[in-house]
Amino acid sequence: AQSVSQHNHHVILSEAASLELGCNYSYGGTVNLFWYVQYPGQHLQLLLKYFSGDPLVKGIKGFEAEFIKSKFSFNLRKPSVQWSDTAEYFCAVNAQSSGDKLTFGTGTRLAVRP
Amino acid sequence: NAGVTQTPKFQVLKTGQSMTLQCAQDMNHEYMSWYRQDPGMGLRLIHYSVGAGITDQGEVPNGYNVSRSTTEDFPLRLLSAAPSQTSVYFCASSYKDGSSGNTIYFGEGSWLTVV
Repeated sequence: AQSVSQHNHHVILSEAASLELGCNYSYGGTVNLFWYVQYPGQHLQLLLKYFSGDPLVKGIKGFEAEFIKSKFSFNLRKPSVQWSDTAEYFCAVNAQSSGDKLTFGTGTRLAVRP
Repeated sequence: NAGVTQTPKFQVLKTGQSMTLQCAQDMNHEYMSWYRQDPGMGLRLIHYSVGAGITDQGEVPNGYNVSRSTTEDFPLRLLSAAPSQTSVYFCASSYKDGSSGNTIYFGEGSWLTVV
């Protein structure tokens, strides 16, 4: 079975700082990878996804993530955060052999100070 | 196009009561699922369905039942509510993205408190 680790539980940044949130997964087969964002009191929204091809994927709102297969990682990055990026971020993995089941990390709460 | 619709948005139950969380999608997605979200634990899969008439257990199925009589609807039933079921519940549906993966979309969540 696959598992996902997000090592940063809470991150506090000032506006314009750069962001990198770590995500590592464990699974030996082919995976699809996702980052979701949850703004306070709202549901999950898809930020970006990786299925195949270019390991550097760009998502909405200036976010990007890089899939490094050798490190089993899919870290999320943004060069300059804004106060409106304050939210909780979830990394998720879908093993292609498991149908549509997603396994989520425990989430990273990001607070951006104006 | 309403996407994934969940009702109710908020509910308070007494221990031992039963209730059903409704989930409907209008996108003709085959795959639907229910997750619960608890602080520090991310989202965990309760039950899922790969199509009408087919359901299966996820990671935390105990205390919950599901059925999938139509493609559109996937209700989640709490048989006898317990305080441990206080959580936020998300319904999701997905479609094949055209490449090798499926993109999963979530409803707005149902906040359930069991007292």
